[in-house]
Amino acid sequence: ELKVEQNPLFLSMQEGKNYTIYCNYSTTSDRLYWYRQDPGKSLESLFVLLSNGAVKQEGRLMASLDTKARLSTLHITAAVHDLSATYFCAVDRGTSYGKLTFGQGTILTVHP
Amino acid sequence: NAGVTQTPKFRVLKTGQSMTLLCAQDMNHEYMYWYRQDPGMGLRLIHYSVGEGTTAKGEVPDGYNVSRLKKQNFLLGLESAAPSQTSVYFCASSYSGTSGGARDTQYFGPGTRLTVL
Repeated sequence: ELKVEQNPLFLSMQEGKNYTIYCNYSTTSDRLYWYRQDPGKSLESLFVLLSNGAVKQEGRLMASLDTKARLSTLHITAAVHDLSATYFCAVDRGTSYGKLTFGQGTILTVHP
Repeated sequence: NAGVTQTPKFRVLKTGQSMTLLCAQDMNHEYMYWYRQDPGMGLRLIHYSVGEGTTAKGEVPDGYNVSRLKKQNFLLGLESAAPSQTSVYFCASSYSGTSGGARDTQYFGPGTRLTVL
């Protein structure tokens, strides 16, 4: 059974600081997705990581994938309040048909 | 394009009642999915479909049924609602599921908040 664990689950940051969210998963997969969810809203796709060593960046967010370590990271640079949201990683089970297993989510709050 | 839409947005049911949630997408996607989101548990896959007329069970299918009679629509049914089915339900769609590329990215609807009393 594929398990996906994120840490931390809660993250309170000051504006301007850097931090990393970790996503560990238990079985082999080379496809990992990061999503953002604002309170009461739907999920928005942030990054698609499709191979070992993949790195994607968008603004203050950078995601990477290490399939050998079964680890993905979401790095936040110089946080701003607008980044406050819940961030999910999701791992494709690698068998077929895009079945995703989600992590529990990391609730990020950025304070002035 | 409206993307993925869900009807209704909110619903309150009594135990034992039935209802159907409707998901529609206008992106010509082949794959569609139903998830439920519970606090602290992320999203869990209920059922999915890889094309018109097909359905398959996901991680937590018990108590739910689905149908995909038209490519653009995916219906989720609760035959006899239970309080354990209180949750937020999300529908998603993707162009494919096995391309190994960005076309597998799932796009989510706005969600349906269901309360079963």
